[in-house]
Amino acid sequence: QVQLQESGPGLVKPSETLSLTCTVSGGSISSYYWSWIRQPPGKGLEWIGYIYYSGSTNYNPSLKSRVTISVDTSKNQFSLKLSSVTAADTAVYYCARLPVYYDFWSGWNYYYYMDVWGKGTTVTVSS
Amino acid sequence: DIQMTQSPSTLSASVGDRVTITCRASQSISSWLAWYQQKPGKAPKLLIYKASSLESGVPSRFSGSGSGTEFTLTISSLQPDDFATYYCQQYNSSLPLTFGGGTKVEIK
Repeated sequence: QVQLQESGPGLVKPSETLSLTCTVSGGSISSYYWSWIRQPPGKGLEWIGYIYYSGSTNYNPSLKSRVTISVDTSKNQFSLKLSSVTAADTAVYYCARLPVYYDFWSGWNYYYYMDVWGKGTTVTVSS
Repeated sequence: DIQMTQSPSTLSASVGDRVTITCRASQSISSWLAWYQQKPGKAPKLLIYKASSLESGVPSRFSGSGSGTEFTLTISSLQPDDFATYYCQQYNSSLPLTFGGGTKVEIK
């Protein structure tokens, strides 16, 4: 079955750019939407954005000015960059897949919940 | 943004209890609601989608209901493995995707 694995630095300095990669194994990155979600220590979940395998994106307006999500289909990976980080960006960062279903009558149907999650990676912003 | 409000924030219950968690949306989201279970140090796990559809492999003691702005997640008979935090998430056509604040189910 499909598995996701986040990777990247666990410590980022304030004002620098946080960069994470999610590697998809056990399946193709094609035909799906892929998302990043984060969870500050002791708090709830926050959606960051998603990307279609073809490269189209949507971001949370609260982070849009600082976020870039990209995809590399040749490596079966997608990535997150978050610029100008502060301590408020300290969180566990998860990558996840959004499901798609094929129906004979209506074709491909995309849904914007997350059915497969990576284990998460902790990123601390500190000097 | 669509605000999702869960209640209660914490719930104390015993094994075998019937447990109900409520999630309210600030505007109608039809049935575009998912529920997740999260255990400490672990990623969220999908339980329910489209308000009442059970994800494959999820025990049948979990059920979801509701539409519009009010939704519930019910655990018919709480098991030891069910002590966790539960989140709802709306995926209506309007972005951003948003989550409820979470409900922690504790041992009574």
